[in-house]
Formats: sequence, C-alpha cells, structure tokens
Amino acid sequence: ETGVTQTPRHLVMGMTNKKSLKCEQHLGHNAMYWYKQSAKKPLELMFVYNFKEQTENNSVPSRFSPECPNSSHLFLHLHTLQPEDSALYLCASSQMSTVANYGYTFGSGTRLTVV
Amino acid sequence: TQLLEQSPQFLSIQEGENLTVYCNSSSVFSSLQWYRQEPGEGPVLLVTVVTGGEVKKLKRLTFQFGDARKDSSLHITAAQPGDTGLYLCAAAAFYAGGTSYGKLTFGQGTILTVHP
Repeated sequence: ETGVTQTPRHLVMGMTNKKSLKCEQHLGHNAMYWYKQSAKKPLELMFVYNFKEQTENNSVPSRFSPECPNSSHLFLHLHTLQPEDSALYLCASSQMSTVANYGYTFGSGTRLTVV
Repeated sequence: TQLLEQSPQFLSIQEGENLTVYCNSSSVFSSLQWYRQEPGEGPVLLVTVVTGGEVKKLKRLTFQFGDARKDSSLHITAAQPGDTGLYLCAAAAFYAGGTSYGKLTFGQGTILTVHP
C-alpha cells in the first residue's frame, strides 16, 4: 500500500463504451498526475493537477477527459477509445515543490484493454 | 524536451552476477531518481541523487550521479531473483520554475531478469 489507490485494477472496454478510472491519495500531496505506460515506450505524461487546477495537458486526445474535484481525488473519464489506447494507466501524487528530492508516489495502475 | 536514454533495455543474468544500468542525457538536471517497478504494480522510488559526483548505496545497489549532472548509473552486486523488475531513471528539470516545474522526465526503462 503506497498511499495512492487506483481503481479498477483491470478494465476491458469496447470502443463505444464510457468508463472512468479513479485515483485517491492519502498522503496530503498537492499535485496529482496521470501517466500512460505502453510497452517499449517511456512513461508518457498526460495531465498534471496542482491544487486541483490543471497545469498540464500534454496534447492528449479529447477522448480522455480528466477531473480533479479536490487535491485527494483524480479521475480519468474515457469514451470512444481506440485499441491503441490499451496500456497501463498510472496515477501519481507529489508535493510539487519537492518533486526533485522526493519524487512521485505511484498507484498500482489500471490495466486497460480496448477491444 | 529533455530526453533520458537508458541502457541496456533488457538484461538477463544469473543469480550472483553483477550488473550496471546506465541513464544518459545531453541536459543538466537538478536531481536524478531511480525507480523499480514490479509486474502489476506502479514504480517505487529507490533513491534520489542531487549532487554531481554523488554516490549512494542501498544494500547491494550503488547509485552514482555524474559530475556534470547529465548521467547516472545503477550497479547491483550479486543480483538475486528478487531484484527482477523494470528499473526506471527519472530526472527533474534544473530550474524550479517554468513549464518543467513539478514534473519528472522518465527513461524508457531497463527490464532486468535474474534467474535462480
């Protein structure tokens, strides 16, 4: 248990479905992140939230829609995904001002398969 | 974009062997971190190196930050099957402000398999 909880752990969805990924952190951090991890590629930053304000959208397609209602919760809403969106989606949190020294705390990820 | 190149991408060794993983960039970083990720889990921070030339040890793992703060290495002595996993290096931008604030750039990782 890292203090960052992601649900569900596994998700299979059709291309016409709508689903949401959830992330919750109990560490008192002020920043939360969504990363995509695909085989043979570096971790790809998708979104960054600082005090529930979005500070980064890394050219992510609109079929991915983030929501951050407060500093402890982060969602990723998914709709009309493509098979190439299948990947491990990782949520992380940090104290943004100390990332250089203390890094991120990651959740266990959601393994997403789009069929 | 600051790029981190890790080598090798794959490493398959026998228990008891030593190994070194490298993380290189053309950019200067304020710090560099190493994470280990086991199957089905997220990456877990192992260490942060901050000072050029710094060496840190974590049991059988030795981490070094290059003098110029552009590269780092991870050396494992007498590897064990429990060391198996994906090793990721990550770097924080040199300047605290600007568009890189609060973000880490990751290398593509080294998949280590240690056979009993």
